[in-house]
This record gives sequence, structure tokens and C-alpha cells, in this order.
Amino acid sequence: GIQVEQSPPDLILQEGANSTLRCNFSDSVNNLQWFHQNPWGQLINLFYIPSGTKQNGRLSATTVATERYSLLYISSSQTTDSGVYFCAVGGKLIFGQGTELSVKP
Amino acid sequence: ETGVTQSPTHLIKTRGQQVTLRCSSQSGHNTVSWYQQALGQGPQFIFQYYREEENGRGNFPPRFSGLQFPNYSSELNVNALELDDSALYLCASSHTGVNEQFFGPGTRLTVL
Repeated sequence: GIQVEQSPPDLILQEGANSTLRCNFSDSVNNLQWFHQNPWGQLINLFYIPSGTKQNGRLSATTVATERYSLLYISSSQTTDSGVYFCAVGGKLIFGQGTELSVKP
Repeated sequence: ETGVTQSPTHLIKTRGQQVTLRCSSQSGHNTVSWYQQALGQGPQFIFQYYREEENGRGNFPPRFSGLQFPNYSSELNVNALELDDSALYLCASSHTGVNEQFFGPGTRLTVL
């Protein structure tokens, strides 16, 4: 089956810093989603991005489907950005192991 | 527009018991998927339901079973609970032909 790898596994930032999270996948996919999991466990949809680039406020994402990777950019990070970020692919979502982000004030 | 809801939010059971978790899909969505998330891991796909039929299953034993009702709501049933079944169970809904899935808040199951 498809393998999904996320990097880095952990990331600690000072408030205001920028970051890039990466998601590599082992086969072509027709669906890729980025989620933020809040401390209570809810998965919040950030982007549905099987290809191309999208932006939503301080967040943006780019998927290069031909090279099987996606990037999530967080600019001017805030403490409320802390949590685990997941990339997931496929119709029956296959998740990576996540990147745990901690933003310090 | 109503989002995905799940009940109960928390549940404690003992080994060998049976449990039923419930999910109501987002309005306009006809497909429901269930996922299990163990502590510190990414969610794992259990199965998906469309038109009241199972439409794909992950690597979970038959004691994990499900139902979808005509209003597109769904149940996840787990028989003969084991300690390793302790996890956050997430339900997601989507519409056929649109792959984007939206998740409910989850049910946290503890098996003692």
C-alpha cells in the first residue's frame, strides 16, 4: 500500500517564526489533505490539495504530484498553531505519523 | 450546515465487553469512514460505508463491524474488546465523487 512519511517529527519555534512541514508519499494519489489536530483530538481541515498551491491566511500548501510530495508553510507562527499536523492521502485516507509543532511565546 | 457529530465523547469498558459508537454525517454527505487513532500515532482506516454497504476495509479483524442508515448516519461496533482497542475513534463524512473528508470530534474509548 501507499506509504506516507512526514518530516520533521517534532518542531519547536518561537512565536513569529516561519516553518515548512513536508509530506512524501510513495505512489500517485487523487486526494491529499492537511489537518491540524487540536489538543482535544479534533482534526481540523486545513487544505484539500491533490495538486497545485493554495493559501489561507498565514498558511499555504503546495503539492507536486509528479514528484510525490506536499509542503505546508506556516508564516508568522502563533502559540495557537501548536499541535499535531497530519498529511493524509487517498480515498480511504492513509495518514502520516504527523509533525508535532510547539510554538513558544 | 451541521458538521459531523459523534457520541459518546468518552467511554470506559472492560475487556471482553461490546461497544457501539455513533456518527452523524455532515448535511449533504452520503459516505462515512471510521478511523482508529492510538496514542501518539496517526489515524488508521477501519472501514467506509456508502449506500448502507461497506465500501472498503482496512486491516482490522471481523469483530469490528459497522452499519450505515438511510439518513447516512453510521455505527461502529466492536465485540470482545481488547486492551489494545483503547484509542480515539474518529468518524469522517464526505460526498461521493468529492474526496475531501470532514471529521467529527471523536470518541475516546478506554478498555480496562
